[in-house]
Amino acid sequence: EAGVAQSPRYKIIEKRQSVAFWCNPISGHATLYWYQQILGQGPKLLIQFQNNGVVDDSQLPKDRFSAERLKGVDSTLKIQPAKLEDSAVYLCASSSSGARKNNEQFFGPGTRLTVL
Amino acid sequence: GDSVTQMEGPVTLSEEACLTINCTYTATGYPSLFWYVQYPGEGLQLLLKATKADDKGSNKGFEATYRKETTSFHLEKGSVQVSDSAVYFCALSEGAGANSKLTFGKGITLSVRP
Repeated sequence: EAGVAQSPRYKIIEKRQSVAFWCNPISGHATLYWYQQILGQGPKLLIQFQNNGVVDDSQLPKDRFSAERLKGVDSTLKIQPAKLEDSAVYLCASSSSGARKNNEQFFGPGTRLTVL
Repeated sequence: GDSVTQMEGPVTLSEEACLTINCTYTATGYPSLFWYVQYPGEGLQLLLKATKADDKGSNKGFEATYRKETTSFHLEKGSVQVSDSAVYFCALSEGAGANSKLTFGKGITLSVRP
């Protein structure tokens, strides 16, 4: 079974530029998550999708970050314009839906963003 | 809100030494508890989990017991190997199905020397 795929793996941009990350979850997983992991900290949830609907985006800086999952499969996360403090690893995770408590989340390798 | 506190790192051990990584949590309900591991250059992987009080999660020689009375979930291993060198994250999750989300601690880097 293929895991969660993310691209690109690395990205370097200058502040005020825009950038987009792509995630393809495990086939059949209805729930998709984007996390931000700043160096020296644990991952922080940015947004959670259930199929193509947003479940939780309370921690997403909506003035500059946006995310979509139009067909309920793959997803893109965009930052426009980027700030220095956006330098981090952006992790995508997916899990199967259902009533079972705390379905395991499977993580992709992440995209390391450096903003200069 | 929910939070997870991990002991400060990094931790450096010799091969075959005993390992304990402390983790405590704050939650409003009855969370599930997890340890995730991140090997160099790889994504986060679930190491073990426990879903209710007194449960013991175990995998690859690592163990952790869900202690509700002390709100703790300490990670232990009796004899570490060089291949255990990684970053370890404690996490909790409340809710079910699509409403579950993970709250992570800061992580701790473990280095095991031969």
